[in-house]
Amino acid sequence: GESVGLHLPTLSVQEGDNSIINCAYSNSASDYFIWYKQESGKGPQFIIDIRSNMDKRQGQRVTVLLNKTVKHLSLQIAATQPGDSAVYFCAESPYLRGYNKLIFGAGTRLAVHP
Amino acid sequence: DGGITQSPKYLFRKEGQNVTLSCEQNLNHDAMYWYRQDPGQGLRLIYYSQIVNDFQKGDIAEGYSVSREKKESFPLTVTSAQKNPTAFYLCASSITAALAGNQPQHFGDGTRLSIL
Repeated sequence: GESVGLHLPTLSVQEGDNSIINCAYSNSASDYFIWYKQESGKGPQFIIDIRSNMDKRQGQRVTVLLNKTVKHLSLQIAATQPGDSAVYFCAESPYLRGYNKLIFGAGTRLAVHP
Repeated sequence: DGGITQSPKYLFRKEGQNVTLSCEQNLNHDAMYWYRQDPGQGLRLIYYSQIVNDFQKGDIAEGYSVSREKKESFPLTVTSAQKNPTAFYLCASSITAALAGNQPQHFGDGTRLSIL
């Protein structure tokens, strides 16, 4: 199988519980943030994004929270399901001369147990 | 369905050989990107292109080359100068930020390159 995710921090949760995945970003100039989900052997899949003029954004079963004061981003997944098991990446984006640069974190593995 | 297609899924390179990874998108996106992913790490940018016939080096461009002759296609060549090419290579595309501000990048399902 895909070896992406070896040696990553792991969050283990029970099916049905809520999950919170945290991310610290580095660039104060970043004004756009994205969460991606990557399953084994696949490319990253867009989950949700948030711009710096917002503190919170909700999607289907997911919520992203942004705390610009401490440069912290979190992804909350409600009623976690086995299909949510994957590696989750946050990405930050400073707007640079029209170029949509993304800076990725190292990722967190979410393991959902029945 | 609209999306990004990468091929082949698995590729093997002999020492001294150049290999080319294919990336095609039908999302009508102007911008395309190549990333390298190593185990336990995030994605690192190799090259990006914001428009046809233009491309720029990313953070780890040494040993790689690209071309952008068509909007839909952004092939990556891993040259013999890249001494540690074993990795998972991901192609992405997006709407150009200059037109619409920051936008998410959408990814293909990758090519795994290994050394023989």
